[in-house]
Order: sequence, then structure tokens, then C-alpha cells
Amino acid sequence: DAKTTQPTSMDCAEGRAANLPCNHSTISGNEYVYWYRQIHSQGPQYIIHGLKNNETNEMASLIITEDRKSSTLILPHATLRDTAVYYCIVRLWGDKIIFGKGTRLHILP
Amino acid sequence: SAVISQKPSRDICQRGTSLTIQCQVDSQVTMMFWYRQQPGQSLTLIATANQGSEATYESGFVIDKFPISRPNLTFSTLTVSNMSPEDSSIYLCSVEFQRETQYFGPGTRLLVL
Repeated sequence: DAKTTQPTSMDCAEGRAANLPCNHSTISGNEYVYWYRQIHSQGPQYIIHGLKNNETNEMASLIITEDRKSSTLILPHATLRDTAVYYCIVRLWGDKIIFGKGTRLHILP
Repeated sequence: SAVISQKPSRDICQRGTSLTIQCQVDSQVTMMFWYRQQPGQSLTLIATANQGSEATYESGFVIDKFPISRPNLTFSTLTVSNMSPEDSSIYLCSVEFQRETQYFGPGTRLLVL
């Protein structure tokens, strides 16, 4: 079973920051937090991952709380192309990925 | 990153037949995975395929129904055997790259009539 809890769906206005929350209260000390997204009719796309420090790349930022029980994925300037299902996943380094239901993000024009 | 291709991209099959899906990667990888995504659902892991060993199947999936081959470090096949309409899904392969993250192929869309 997935070890994360995410809202079923969210809306965000185009050009605004999209903040997607994820709860992972049972995360163990050596499990990483990963985010993927799946745009309609495509395979999942890797976005970002982190262990305990906040991370940023060209796609997004990942904010992990100090107790590591939750995290937030931030898309700084959402565009219509960011409409997708976003999956928050916790896993050990190199382990298989188990997907939950994810958050369906709608970017509104 | 790794570039992954799958063949066929889509197919329509008759019940009782079998379909073999191919997954090709542009670099050598140790771990490959096969997933199924039923209509409107999330992805479900079918099995892990490491080169040189038998595939490891997740609960609810068996080798007789989903035989997997992994002949080398860049290629794998998944066969969906004795198909029924309930097997209509998207089948995706993914690879573990440098033990850091997984990259996914575009998927094979299967419709069983």
C-alpha cells in the first residue's frame, strides 16, 4: 500500500504558484520523498526527490518538514501544461516505487 | 536520464490470445519494472525484472499470466497471456537509473475485445 496521503484534486490559476501537499507520517529515517507527475496519456515523469533538506530544480521545489512527516511540492509559475496527476511517493534508495492515487491538478486559465 | 521505448504503442486483441510488449532502453540498466494502469486508476506494479535472475512478481500477479523476459541490460518483454477484457489497460515499463530514480516508457495501450 502507498505510504502517502494526498488531496484528490486541486485547482490553481495559471501563473500562480501551485502548492501540492503530501502527508507521510510513517516515513522511516532512510526513506526518500519522490514526486512524479503523469500528464494525460503519457508515462509518469520524474520531478524531484529529497531526504530531509529542501530541494530545488528547474521544474519545482520540494519542501520537507523538519519531522519529515509531510512535504509540499511547489510549481512556482504554473502553466496549462502543468495540468496532470501528481504522485508523492516515499521509498528506500533504489527500491521499487508504489504509486498511490495522487492529486489531480487543474491549472485554470 | 534514460530514453525508453515500447512496442507496440497500442493494440486491439481478441480474448484468449496473447500479446508480447517490448521495452528498449538506450543505456544499460540493472533494474527494470513493469506496471499496469487500468482505466481511470493509478499505476500498479506487476513485477521487477533484473537481468540474470527470475522476475519478482507482486501480490496478485503470476508468471503464467504475465511471463517476463530480461535477456540483457537494455531490453525486456512482458507477455499478457490468455487475455480477457479485464486485461485492457496501459502497460508501462520503467528503469532504475543509477540507483537514483525511475524513468518510465510511454506505455502500451491494450484493448481486449
